[in-house]
Amino acid sequence: DTGVSQDPRHKITKRGQNVTFRCDPISEHNRLYWYRQTLGQGPEFLTYFQNEAQLEKSRLLSNRFSAERPKGSFSTLEIQRTEQGDSAMYLCASSYTGLGKGDTQYFGPGTRLTVL
Amino acid sequence: QKEVEQNSGPLSVPEGAIASLNCTYSDRVSQSFFWYRQYSGKSPELIMSIYSNGDKEDGRFTAQLNKASQYVSLLIRDSQPSDSATYLCAVKGIRAGTASKLTFGTGTRLQVTL
Repeated sequence: DTGVSQDPRHKITKRGQNVTFRCDPISEHNRLYWYRQTLGQGPEFLTYFQNEAQLEKSRLLSNRFSAERPKGSFSTLEIQRTEQGDSAMYLCASSYTGLGKGDTQYFGPGTRLTVL
Repeated sequence: QKEVEQNSGPLSVPEGAIASLNCTYSDRVSQSFFWYRQYSGKSPELIMSIYSNGDKEDGRFTAQLNKASQYVSLLIRDSQPSDSATYLCAVKGIRAGTASKLTFGTGTRLQVTL
């Protein structure tokens, strides 16, 4: 059972550029979550999908952020017109909500974004 | 009041001692509680989950939950230098808007000294 994978692991970009991150969940996990973590803080929820449906978005997710999970498998998170305040670790997690499963979330290695 | 509160530390314990990490939460109807370990520069790694009042043991780790006091703790027995990390407490509720996402504390940094 391979874990959650994320790509790229590191991204350096200039302010105003667009960036896209990819997350591949644990196979057969039906839920996929995006979180953002800044230094000294715990992860903050951004959005989540159940299969291909985006069911919840945080107020933190401004209109510059968009996420997709087109076929209920991998997901992408795009940030348009990046700002220095977007610099953070972007974490993806997945879980399975079937009977007998506790919807425990397992995290990928994260994508560290630096906006210059 | 923060939704999930942890002492940021650092909590320093000698090797072989018991480390006690504490977490309080504000939403009384929270249902699921998790402890994650995070090494510097890495992503959170699940240690334990707990859903019912009482203790749950897994190897050197014991999670304790007291819903009446809105308190959850993690005990690490026989602490090792490799346990030095930040420990994140996470809570999942049942209200709309909280039923799926995890709400994290800021984490407690644990240092196990030789």
